[in-house]
Amino acid sequence: DAKTTQPPSMDCAEGRAANLPCNHSTISGNEYVYWYRQIHSQGPQYIIHGLKNNETNEMASLIITEDRKSSTLILPHATLRDTAVYYCIVSSGGSNYKLTFGKGTLLTVNP
Amino acid sequence: GAVVSQHPSRVICKSGTSVKIECRSLDFQATTMFWYRQFPKKSLMLMATSNEGSKATYEQGVEKDKFLINHASLTLSTLTVTSAHPEDSSFYICSASDSIAGGPWNEQFFGPGTRLTVL
Repeated sequence: DAKTTQPPSMDCAEGRAANLPCNHSTISGNEYVYWYRQIHSQGPQYIIHGLKNNETNEMASLIITEDRKSSTLILPHATLRDTAVYYCIVSSGGSNYKLTFGKGTLLTVNP
Repeated sequence: GAVVSQHPSRVICKSGTSVKIECRSLDFQATTMFWYRQFPKKSLMLMATSNEGSKATYEQGVEKDKFLINHASLTLSTLTVTSAHPEDSSFYICSASDSIAGGPWNEQFFGPGTRLTVL
């Protein structure tokens, strides 16, 4: 699976949009981009995934560049409860796919 | 989303004893379950992939005789840490894939984790 690069930490003001970048320059054609987050001492939580097109759900939006070498996770109105480590993961999917977690980005939402 | 539970949530044991951790998918059937380990301030490391009715596939460097995995049903996988030592103290997390839902990808649902402390 392709590797990803994320900034180690970011800060965001409560109520503002949080934009978390991820580089995945070696992504291959059949690999999806997944985003998970982990709040302290809990299991990871799925946020969103995409292949080529931008995606939006009730939690976030995912913007994938046309060349698919990078993506941005957008939390439109960050709250204090969004403080967590956010992981960007690239994987080929399928019923037996593995998720390889990198170091992620620690997002701290400040009041 | 689907719910995955783990039991116990926290366990403290003496060195040399064995500890069993259960992972259950509560409202879906999981052909595949995954076991991860996370040390303090580190990322999750995949230990093994567990398929119902067959032997688990272990990642490189993970001792299969020390970390016994059983996936006897579509809703239950167990991880047994045998002869635990202090260096096995960690946060153990399982995930389950709702593979029956089909599609080109399958979301993994994670359990809340089990904190193991070996004295």
